[in-house]
Amino acid sequence: DAKTTQPNSMESNEEEPVHLPCNHSTISGTDYIHWYRQLPSQGPEYVIHGLTSNVNNRMASLAIAEDRKSSTLILHRATLRDAAVYYCPGAGSYQLTFGKGTKLSVIP
Amino acid sequence: NAGVTQTPKFQVLKTGQSMTLQCAQDMNHNSMYWYRQDPGMGLRLIYYSASEGTTDKGEVPNGYNVSRLNKREFSLRLESAAPSQTSVYFCASTQTGNYGYTFGSGTRLTVV
Repeated sequence: DAKTTQPNSMESNEEEPVHLPCNHSTISGTDYIHWYRQLPSQGPEYVIHGLTSNVNNRMASLAIAEDRKSSTLILHRATLRDAAVYYCPGAGSYQLTFGKGTKLSVIP
Repeated sequence: NAGVTQTPKFQVLKTGQSMTLQCAQDMNHNSMYWYRQDPGMGLRLIYYSASEGTTDKGEVPNGYNVSRLNKREFSLRLESAAPSQTSVYFCASTQTGNYGYTFGSGTRLTVV
């Protein structure tokens, strides 16, 4: 199963950009890179995903390294509502494998 | 937009009791999943159904059974609940592995 590595926690000041890293050391050529976030007492929420090219949506941007062994989730202006646990699960053909994620704290 | 609906939201069981957690999605997704999340931990896959009519074990299947009733519904059954099954259970669905997953809001289960 594909596995990923993330820092346990990060802090950001409100309204500043946040770069959340993820290492995908065992990723295969056809596995998509996914990012999800989980607010307290809620289910995980889809943020963004991509295969090789950088991706943008209304929530965030995803930067994928050329060798696909790492990715970075970019929140362009952190708000207090972005405080959550962010996951980049390992992705196989039919399942996602979650680690403990990165707990993002946003400082007012 | 209902998305993924899980019932019940909360449940308390006594050791040895049985129950079924229900999950339904209205997005015409092919694949459905059951995860559990223990305090301070990530999600662990219990069972999944890649398509209607198929089910497969995940990382922690012991003590659970599943039924893919139709394309919309995927249920998780605990035949004889144990305190170790106290957890938050999440159902998820996706069109295929190359699409984003949609999660339900969870069922908080306590086994005493």
